[in-house]
Amino acid sequence: DAGVIQSPRHEVTEMGQEVTLRCKPISGHDYLFWYRQTMMRGLELLIYFNNNVPIDDSGMPEDRFSAKMPNASFSTLKIQPSEPRDSAVYFCASSLTGPTYGYTFGSGTRLTVV
Amino acid sequence: EDQVTQSPEALRLQEGESSSLNCSYTVSGLRGLFWYRQDPGKGPEFLFTLYSAGEEKEKERLKATLTKKESFLHITAPKPEDSATYLCAAYSGGYQKVTFGIGTKLQVIP
Repeated sequence: DAGVIQSPRHEVTEMGQEVTLRCKPISGHDYLFWYRQTMMRGLELLIYFNNNVPIDDSGMPEDRFSAKMPNASFSTLKIQPSEPRDSAVYFCASSLTGPTYGYTFGSGTRLTVV
Repeated sequence: EDQVTQSPEALRLQEGESSSLNCSYTVSGLRGLFWYRQDPGKGPEFLFTLYSAGEEKEKERLKATLTKKESFLHITAPKPEDSATYLCAAYSGGYQKVTFGIGTKLQVIP
């Protein structure tokens, strides 16, 4: 398996623009997570899905953030409109049964909003 | 609110110089304590899960231990390839609630 695949690896956009981050989880994994990592706050859970259904989106910072999982092999995280404070590394992770046996993280998308 | 605090923030060791990283946690009802390794430009890589006080897990030069308030990651005779950021995370159950620490950046010098 190629692991969790995220695209793009890097994204530079202007404030106010829409940004879409993409993730392909490991086949067969029932859980998918979106995390944001910054130097100051570390890794923060934004939202997670179980069997394509959003379960907890309490970490989504504002209505500007939205996430979808239309099928078991694809998820998107959208920011509209983007702001400079959204600059961070966004990770997608997947898991077979939950956190106990560890999450498999993708390589992340480094987002810079100027 | 669950909290995970790691220390030190950064650690520089000579190759072969053993040391320990600390993870203090304050969570309601710990169900698991995790250690991850993160290399620059990559996502975290899962290392261990510890479930209860007194438990130990080992992997090559790494040994993780758990008490009721802390976890330690002991690194024995480290090599340059052990250089990475080590993340600790606590699972308090209920809706996949996992809280990560900021991490300890380890540098092992040849």
